Amino acid sequence: NAGVTQTPKFQVLKTGQSMTLQCAQDMNHNSMYWYRQDPGMGLRLIYYSASEGTTDKGEVPNGYNVSRLNKREFSLRLESAAPSQTSVYFCASRPDSLGPKAFFGQGTRLTVV
Amino acid sequence: GNSVTQMEGPVTLSEEAFLTINCTYTATGYPSLFWYVQYPGEGLQLLLKATKADDKGSNKGFEATYRKETTSFHLEKGSVQVSDSAVYFCALSDGNTGGFKTIFGAGTRLFVKA
Repeated sequence: NAGVTQTPKFQVLKTGQSMTLQCAQDMNHNSMYWYRQDPGMGLRLIYYSASEGTTDKGEVPNGYNVSRLNKREFSLRLESAAPSQTSVYFCASRPDSLGPKAFFGQGTRLTVV
Repeated sequence: GNSVTQMEGPVTLSEEAFLTINCTYTATGYPSLFWYVQYPGEGLQLLLKATKADDKGSNKGFEATYRKETTSFHLEKGSVQVSDSAVYFCALSDGNTGGFKTIFGAGTRLFVKA
């Protein structure tokens, strides 16, 4: 009953370092998403993947890259972290793009110093 | 463009009080509307949804009615419990974009005191 699993849960980076946030879902969902959550701003979509092999930019893609490695996994990469990327990151998945219910991971709290 | 506006928090209530969290939206077409809840240290969970005008979503004692005439989807609960303390997000999913770009409100934090 794992659902959506994100790793790591916490991370501190120095400015300029790179890292990859991992996300995996075991529900055979087609669509996967990466959001960032900042105080007073709700969740904003960074990138999404409608299906295996496709990725598209969301609202705030700058400074990020993604890979839909296979149907289960959707990773988010920060090539050169900046303090403005300090945030909580959520991965989510849905059975398909029109299904209303999204399943969320527990989040990754990232601090860039 | 599409947007969701929620009342600012935090909202602090005593147990058994009545809860209303306001949510209004701006959208073209006929979006679906949602309330998500985020308990401390957890991801978001879908609380309830409504997919067309006048639909009422309900779950765990919470209700919200899709009001197209007032572009609102206010969350209500008749008697809150301490366990309802969480952050609540109103969200809109626009069918015109294939449902990908769900837009979330800023969130409203609810504290319920015993």
